[in-house]
Order: sequence, then structure tokens, then C-alpha cells
Amino acid sequence: AQSVTQLDSQVPVFEEAPVELRCNYSSSVSVYLFWYVQYPNQGLQLLLKYLSGSTLVKGINGFEAEFNKSQTSFHLRKPSVHISDTAEYFCAVAQGGSEKLVFGKGTKLTVNP
Amino acid sequence: ETGVTQSPTHLIKTRGQQVTLRCSSQSGHNTVSWYQQALGQGPQFIFQYYREEENGRGNFPPRFSGLQFPNYSSELNVNALELDDSALYLCASSLWATGVVYGYTFGSGTRLTVV
Repeated sequence: AQSVTQLDSQVPVFEEAPVELRCNYSSSVSVYLFWYVQYPNQGLQLLLKYLSGSTLVKGINGFEAEFNKSQTSFHLRKPSVHISDTAEYFCAVAQGGSEKLVFGKGTKLTVNP
Repeated sequence: ETGVTQSPTHLIKTRGQQVTLRCSSQSGHNTVSWYQQALGQGPQFIFQYYREEENGRGNFPPRFSGLQFPNYSSELNVNALELDDSALYLCASSLWATGVVYGYTFGSGTRLTVV
């Protein structure tokens, strides 16, 4: 069965600092990878996705992620964070041909002034 | 382009009761999935509907059931509510064709509290 591990449950950073949120997945077949953001009391908003092609994926709000097949990782990065980036971030994987998303437990990013 | 809308936004039910949650898919999408997100956890897949039939199910008991209608809207029904059913229920729609995933759009969710 697929699983997703988000290595950090909480990440505090200062405004304008870079940030990396880590995600590892387990799968032996082709996968699709996603990062979602969830603001308090809201649903999930898609930040970016990897379906195929270039391993560096650019998303909304200045976020990007790199797919590393050998390390089964899909880490999310932003070179300079803002207070408004404070939210919970979820990494998810879908096995090729399957619509089922398997989520990690989430990483709470807190950006401090 | 309309997004995914869910109703109601909040709901309080008593243990043992039944509940129905509703979801309108994004225009052009043909698949709908339901997820349960307990407090402090990531969403867990409940089931998915494609062409009005269940097309995959997670580790949830039969008292969780669903429907998809010809206009691709959907319902999630939960019978015999338990306290542990308290969670945010998320609906996600997507366009699926021949094994290709085009992405998922989530609604804002229904917060269900069972007392």
C-alpha cells in the first residue's frame, strides 16, 4: 500500500527566510504527486503537481517542488516566505491510473515576523 | 468556471443519527471523491464515484455510502453516527479519462460534529 511521510509536523520560520517542507512516498509504480495548502477552517487548495516530464515543478504563490525518483521524495520549497504563507501543507500521492489520493499527516508552517 | 461547492458548511448531529452531505462538482469534471479529515490529520479516502458507480473505496465501513447523480453532483450518507465520525468531510472532483489524472479540485468541506 502507498504511504506518504511528511518528515516535519511543524516548521517555524521567519518572514523572508527560505523554507523546505519534506515529503517522502513509498511506491513501486509510476505515481502522481501533489502539494496542497489548507488555511484554517478551509478546504484544500492545489499548490502544484507532478504528473510527468520535468522533475522541477513550479506552482502558485512562488512555491516549487522537485521530484526525485531515486530518493522517492517530493520536497516543497519557497525561497522567501511571507506571513500569509502560514498554513498547513499536505503532500499527496496517487498511483498511476488510480484516482485515490493518499495524504501525509501534514506540516504546519508558521511564518513569524 | 465554477469550483466545488459543499453543503452544509457545519452540522451537529447526535450519536446514532443519520446524515447526508452534498457536493456539486466543478464544471466539466466527471469523477467525485470523498475524504474524511479528522482533527490534526491528513484527509483519508472514503470512496470515489465515476459515471454514477462506486469506483474505489477506502477502509470505511458500509454505513458510509454515497451517490453520484447524472449531473455529477454527489451525496455522502453516514448511518448510525459515532463520536469518531466527527471530522471535516471534503469532496473532490476531477476529470478522469483512460487512467490519466488531470488533477483534483477540493471543496471547502462540511464540518460534522457528533455529540
